[in-house]
Amino acid sequence: KAGVTQTPRYLIKTRGQQVTLSCSPISGHRSVSWYQQTPGQGLQFLFEYFSETQRNKGNFPGRFSGRQFSNSRSEMNVSTLELGDSALYLCASSTGPGNTGELFFGEGSRLTVL
Amino acid sequence: QKEVEQNSGPLSVPEGAIASLNCTYSDRGSQSFFWYRQYSGKSPELIMFIYSNGDKEDGRFTAQLNKASQYVSLLIRDSQPSDSATYLCAVDNTNAGKSTFGDGTTLTVKP
Repeated sequence: KAGVTQTPRYLIKTRGQQVTLSCSPISGHRSVSWYQQTPGQGLQFLFEYFSETQRNKGNFPGRFSGRQFSNSRSEMNVSTLELGDSALYLCASSTGPGNTGELFFGEGSRLTVL
Repeated sequence: QKEVEQNSGPLSVPEGAIASLNCTYSDRGSQSFFWYRQYSGKSPELIMFIYSNGDKEDGRFTAQLNKASQYVSLLIRDSQPSDSATYLCAVDNTNAGKSTFGDGTTLTVKP
């Protein structure tokens, strides 16, 4: 059974640019959650999608957005990048709804903003 | 106060010793509790979950839950160097559809 796939794995952007990250959940999982992980802040919840609907959102500015497609794949977008957005972005899938229960994490997308 | 707090660490134990990792939570509506292990440069993976008060054992790992004290712990017996990782405590409030993670405790097991 294939795991959670995130692309790209690594990317470098400059301030002011935007970025789109992609996540394909485990087959049959309908919930996708996104997290930002930094050494200073730990694992911070961004948002969760279930059946193409955002069900929960963390305390991040509106520059962070996401969506989920009918096949449960999800994308997150960060616009007007800031240096502080440099982080590991993790996607987790679960059977859902809600980002509760056992979460299966992808390998993450490591974003560096210069 | 953070919703989920863990030992600040880092925690260092000799090989073969018992490692004790602690976690407290503030939401009394929390129903499920999870421990994830994250190796350096890798993503978190679930190693234990517990729903009821008391102890739950799985091999060298024991999770302990005390809902009255809002406390959950993870004991690792016969610690091995391969157990060196960051351990994340996650607390679920199913009614709120929300899972909250602690900042993690980094464990080093020295040969």
